[in-house]
Formats: sequence, structure tokens, C-alpha cells
Amino acid sequence: QVQVVESGGGVVQPGGSLRLSCAVSGFNFNIYDMHWVRQAPGKGLEWLTLIRYDGSNEYYADSVKGRFTMSRDNSKNTLFLQMNSLRPEDSAVYFCVKDAAEFLAVGYFDVWGQGTLVTVSS
Amino acid sequence: EIVMTQSPATLSVSPGERATLSCRASQSVFANLAWYQQKPGQAPRLLIYGTSTRATGVPAKFSGSGSGTEFTLTISSLQSEDFAVYYCQQFHNRPYTFGPGTKLQVK
Repeated sequence: QVQVVESGGGVVQPGGSLRLSCAVSGFNFNIYDMHWVRQAPGKGLEWLTLIRYDGSNEYYADSVKGRFTMSRDNSKNTLFLQMNSLRPEDSAVYFCVKDAAEFLAVGYFDVWGQGTLVTVSS
Repeated sequence: EIVMTQSPATLSVSPGERATLSCRASQSVFANLAWYQQKPGQAPRLLIYGTSTRATGVPAKFSGSGSGTEFTLTISSLQSEDFAVYYCQQFHNRPYTFGPGTKLQVK
């Protein structure tokens, strides 16, 4: 059974940091590019980051470039999102998302976690 | 960045009828278009990719069409479980971008 479980969300002050984790099971994590997508409360979806299946490259949306860092540990089937210099506009539910294609991202997403809520507020 | 727009923002349709949702891209995305369904409190679910290919387990009542910059999601014989928010997403270029969504509600 495919499972994607995010954790690490919470309340943080502006300028603070948070590290999200995503534990994956039920599919061969090592051969899929992975993404983070977020959704502000009551708003739409925003793609944030992509990491290659082997961790060799990452790509970021301009809104988080230089502040967020995505990484993965294939030995532990886990994905991470290090978020620094957080702003109130970063408040959202963060989804860990699987790319639909093996080895090379096609850019659409067939498995989603339930998300973890990040609130940036003083 | 490719900007996606969706219309209408809210669509009211009676159960049993058909719904037609529209999505437009600011430049051609060829056939690189996906649709997702999201119910309250849930994660999005992939419905359609490549403009018209249904994802695994998606019933034939969902169909997608279009190309270039204009796309349509059609849902036939609406049932209670189909009332949700629907998002289109282009995967032609990074950053991958979503439309603002269409809320499909009961008339």
C-alpha cells in the first residue's frame, strides 16, 4: 500500500526555520523524482521544488529559491524540506508529492501525502 | 512562468447532469496538461494527464480534451462524490503551475 506521510509542521515566527520530513512506503522511492507542493489556507496549489530520484539535482520555484532546500535519504525512503527565513506568506499546508514517471520527472503528480500545516506568525 | 486560468470559478450543476470546466494557459503547453480533484480536507487526486488520459482508477465519466492553450474537463452524470474543487496544471515547463481552481457545487 502506497503511503506518503509528512511531518514537522507547526507554528514558527517570521524569520524562523522549520524542517519538514516525508516518509514514503509502498513504492520504490529510489526511482522517482519527488516534489513539494503547498496550499495556503483557502487558496490554490503552488509547486515549490523537485528533487531528482538520486538526489543529483533540485529545482525551486522563485518564491522559495535561496530560502528552502530539498533533500532526500534514499536509504531511509525519506524526503526533507528545510525552510529558512520563513515569511507569513509561507503559511500553508505542505504536500509531499510523487512524480508519475520513473527516473525522469514528467511533472504531474500521482501520489500525494495528506500534508502538514506550517503557520508563520508572531 | 506559464499562467493558468480556469473558468468559471464556481459552477453549479444538478446531480445527474454534465459539467464542463475550462482551463486556459498563457502560452502553449501542447498536451502537457493534468487535472486534479480536491475534496475538503483531502489532498488533491490526479484525474487526467496528458490532456485526456485518465489516471488509474478514474472512471470513464471524467474526460479531458483540448490542446495548446485551451482545455476542457467534462464530467458526466454528476453524483454527490463529484462535487469538489478541480484544478488544472501544466507540466510543459518548470515552474509547474496550477490554475486557481473551479468549485463544482450542487445546484
